[in-house]
Amino acid sequence: EPEVTQTPSHQVTQMGQEVILRCVPISNHLYFYWYRQILGQKVEFLVSFYNNEISEKSEIFDDQFSVERPDGSNFTLKIRSTKLEDSAMYFCASKFIEDYGYTFGSGTRLTVV
Amino acid sequence: KQEVTQIPAALSVPEGENLVLNCSFTDSAIYNLQWFRQDPGKGLTSLLLIQSSQREQTSGRLNASLDKSSGRSTLYIAASQPGDSATYLCAVGRSGSRLTFGEGTQLTVNP
Repeated sequence: EPEVTQTPSHQVTQMGQEVILRCVPISNHLYFYWYRQILGQKVEFLVSFYNNEISEKSEIFDDQFSVERPDGSNFTLKIRSTKLEDSAMYFCASKFIEDYGYTFGSGTRLTVV
Repeated sequence: KQEVTQIPAALSVPEGENLVLNCSFTDSAIYNLQWFRQDPGKGLTSLLLIQSSQREQTSGRLNASLDKSSGRSTLYIAASQPGDSATYLCAVGRSGSRLTFGEGTQLTVNP
């Protein structure tokens, strides 16, 4: 069964550093998403991406965050200057079309120290 | 703003028992509802997707129902097994837009 692949599985970074989280969505999917889950809390929406542009973003997704689909297969989330509160599990998800369900990756656990 | 609530927060049952997990949402203008399973420290595995026009979906021992007008969904698990132990998440979606998640029900099935 096709999978959404995320790398790395775990990343530790120092506060103030830039990080890039990488995702390879399912190849024929058209909608791409990033969600995050702070330990013990709900899964929260960050951003959706369709037709090579952001279609929606949450209030969490401020100027420190950016997304890119550089080569038609990868989908990245960049955090420019990490804060302690950015520590969370970050999930990439993709969807074929509107009527289909989401497929989530296994996540990247980001720890900011 | 959509709010999703799941009851109970935690449930412990003996193996073989049938059980029901509940999900409620405040805005009935949903596009679909999806149930996920999450194992500790792991990703989200999709279990069932119900479109807003549907009343229920079944997969194996799982059955999910949707009552959009009352803002409720249930996930029924038949003949529970220890391998079913996980957190079950309910998420509702609007057209072309984000999923809103509940906090989940942590299920433990005891052998």
